[in-house]
Parts: sequence; structure tokens; C-alpha cells
Amino acid sequence: EAQVTQNPRYLITVTGKKLTVTCSQNMNHEYMSWYRQDPGLGLRQIYYSMNVEVTDKGDVPEGYKVSRKEKRNFPLILESPSPNQTSLYFCASSPDQGQGTPGYGYTFGSGTRLTVV
Amino acid sequence: AQSVTQPDIHITVSEGASLELRCNYSYGATPYLFWYVQSPGQGLQLLLKYFSGDTLVQGIKGFEAEFKRSQSSFNLRKPSVHWSDAAEYFCAVASISGGYQKVTFGIGTKLQVIP
Repeated sequence: EAQVTQNPRYLITVTGKKLTVTCSQNMNHEYMSWYRQDPGLGLRQIYYSMNVEVTDKGDVPEGYKVSRKEKRNFPLILESPSPNQTSLYFCASSPDQGQGTPGYGYTFGSGTRLTVV
Repeated sequence: AQSVTQPDIHITVSEGASLELRCNYSYGATPYLFWYVQSPGQGLQLLLKYFSGDTLVQGIKGFEAEFKRSQSSFNLRKPSVHWSDAAEYFCAVASISGGYQKVTFGIGTKLQVIP
């Protein structure tokens, strides 16, 4: 089954304790992205990756890191989480969009609900 | 800069009634437009999309949407709502800017279906 898999689904952590949320897709998609979803704000893009070793900041990158060492994996790293990073996080992937064709849409993971206390 | 407005944060309809969810976008050229649905506890699922061609597009689960350039709108419709349609619906606009795709989502419309 074509899918984007995120882990964990739920995570409670303490301020300052480094964590990683994993994301993996099995569709050979070039493009991957992380979003956070907050009430009243919709989805905001954190980081995206056009391909292996190619990543760039989205609209709200502060406090986050990403890496793209393999095509299928795109982990989100919070090196020193803070309470304002409590949110619902989504990973999404899409076929190659690098040549001006963003018309495919995204496949989303099921989400990771993160609470930082 | 592109933007998406979903003016209705919450809508309640009776099961079997028709549904229209509004979406207005702001973008200079012809945009790529999408509707996604998010069921409780789930990720977003693509319902339908539009870029060119017929301005009335059909999607999954019996949904359709109509692109109206003059009104900068891309409203989502369904003739008869089922209880399982209760979810949150997101409109999105995509474009290419500086060589990469930019996707902007609306804040969502939460649909409640009553018996």
C-alpha cells in the first residue's frame, strides 16, 4: 500500500530533551515536507526537501532541523524542544515538483501529536 | 504572495442535505487548487484538484468543486451529505516560486453532520 508512515503517533516530552520524529514513504516520491497544524492557524510548512541532500526552510523553521540522506526518509529533529512546539505534525510527500508542476497534491502521514511540558 | 481564505470555520448540516464549503484564493496566475479532508485522528486525504480544463472537477467520496476565476473561488460541493462526511476540510493553493513548489493551506472548515 502506498503510504507515508510517521512515528511515533503520540509523544510527550520535557523541555530541552532532543527528539526525532521519523517519516518514511514507499512511493519513490522526490518531494517531502513537514507541516505543523495548530488550531486557528491551519497547516504551516516547517521544512521541505526537493530530493536527497536538498532541503530548505518553510514558513516556520525555527527550532527544527531535518535531513534527507535517503529518498524515502525525512526525519524531523527538535534539538531542544520548547512548549511552543506542542502541536500536531504531519509529514507529506509528492512526486517530483521541481520543474514547475505542483499539480499532483500530497500524500500525508497520519500525524504525530507532540506535547512538550 | 498567495493566500487562501476559508470564511466558514464551522458548518453544521443535516444528513442528506446539500453542502457547499467556500474557498477563496489570492494568486496572480492560474493556480493549482486542491481540497483535502481530515477525519478525526487522521492525516489529510486529497479529495480533488484543479489546474486547467473543465472548471467543474469531480473528486472522491462524491465531492465536486467548481473553479470560478472571476470570483477567485474554488468551492467544494456535495449533493447529499452522509454522516461519515463529518470531518475538517482544507482548501489549498500551490504554485512554483523561485524553482520550488509553494503550497498554502486555508485554516480549515469543520463540518458537523446531524441526523
